[in-house]
Amino acid sequence: NAGVTQTPKFRVLKTGQSMTLLCAQDMNHEYMYWYRQDPGMGLRLIHYSVGEGTTAKGEVPDGYNVSRLKKQNFLLGLESAAPSQTSVYFCAIRLAGDSKDTQYFGPGTRLTVL
Amino acid sequence: GQQVMQIPQYQHVQEGEDFTTYCNSSTTLSNIQWYKQRPGGHPVFLIQLVKSGEVKKQKRLTFQFGEAKKNSSLHITATQTTDVGTYFCALLGGNFNKFYFGSGTKLNVKP
Repeated sequence: NAGVTQTPKFRVLKTGQSMTLLCAQDMNHEYMYWYRQDPGMGLRLIHYSVGEGTTAKGEVPDGYNVSRLKKQNFLLGLESAAPSQTSVYFCAIRLAGDSKDTQYFGPGTRLTVL
Repeated sequence: GQQVMQIPQYQHVQEGEDFTTYCNSSTTLSNIQWYKQRPGGHPVFLIQLVKSGEVKKQKRLTFQFGEAKKNSSLHITATQTTDVGTYFCALLGGNFNKFYFGSGTKLNVKP
């Protein structure tokens, strides 16, 4: 996983509850991403960050907030969970260079909202 | 946002048969990436294609980028059970910070 960890691995929430997912990297990469993956669909970008203190919206940002206070950590928050947010959430870091542009994904967080 | 169409959605093959998945875009792409996701796992980067008409090989996997840079394919020769998983293409969006993924092709290989 190129040093990308996600906490927690599994979580069950009730509608309206809140939670924070943590993505941590043990390197010093600038770019970090949050995706959600639903059955039969590819990964959809929720939010991303190009560096400490910066965040930006992806394809499906509604209902989520993010923060990147420390370079190593990218947090994804659900303020009031809805059943439509049941999904597998993946965090990724990006290594971009002259001849290479690669994303390394964390192991994922499986979230169920009842 | 940008979209890339990926076909087929599913493919079931007998071990030893070949497999191909295709990604098509209506716009010219700066590059395209391919990922593999094993069942229950996370996506793993396979390769990036940048040049028009580029062909790259990794053992039994052959990746192609179209001459017009609007389509790409991944071909697996003589599939093995270890090839089981979902294969995704991904493109880099216009601001060069966002990635857009295809819906994936799920490959099942019967031994």
